[in-house]
Amino acid sequence: ETGVTQSPTHLIKTRGQQVTLRCSSQSGHNTVSWYQQALGQGPQFIFQYYREEENGRGNFPPRFSGLQFPNYSSELNVNALELDDSALYLCASSKASGGQETQYFGPGTRLLVL
Amino acid sequence: RKEVEQDPGPFNVPEGATVAFNCTYSNSASQSFFWYRQDCRKEPKLLMSVYSSGNEDGRFTAQLNRASQYISLLIRDSKLSDSATYLCVVRRRNSGYSTLTFGKGTMLLVSP
Repeated sequence: ETGVTQSPTHLIKTRGQQVTLRCSSQSGHNTVSWYQQALGQGPQFIFQYYREEENGRGNFPPRFSGLQFPNYSSELNVNALELDDSALYLCASSKASGGQETQYFGPGTRLLVL
Repeated sequence: RKEVEQDPGPFNVPEGATVAFNCTYSNSASQSFFWYRQDCRKEPKLLMSVYSSGNEDGRFTAQLNRASQYISLLIRDSKLSDSATYLCVVRRRNSGYSTLTFGKGTMLLVSP
């Protein structure tokens, strides 16, 4: 196993609600990236946190936000949920090494928005 | 045009068969290349990195052609346990961070 954990494993919400997903990175890793994987698609990059700062973002609206804590664990928050937000949310941790780092994925959180 | 394109399959092959997957990428600034494997309802797991010189890991051979922006994966002597979705992935360095861009994946079904 990768040592990356995510919670909860599954979640059901309704449109307009807010959700917080959590990720604990592998020991020694200081970078967490979040991805959204819709059914039948590959994972899409949401954003990346390095040493508690967002240092990169994909093509996702501001209602997707995040945090990274001093222990390098991370949260993904999604406000004003839409039906299309239903997906598998994956976090990946890595140890920054000039762009050569390997990302290790957690098992993901399955979010269903009704 | 998608940044990483793959044939979604599914590829249905019998045990013991050889199967090849192809992938093209559009951004010439892509620096590193990978194949990930994803089992149903699980997270992606790194299968192997891909180098221009070609590289092999047991029954798996990966190849990169930077001039054609083309990546391939060859699986020899397919096993039932190889059934999964294979994701072609490129990494590109942006200002201060690197991102992974995934293809949609190619589904492989190996039957007895």
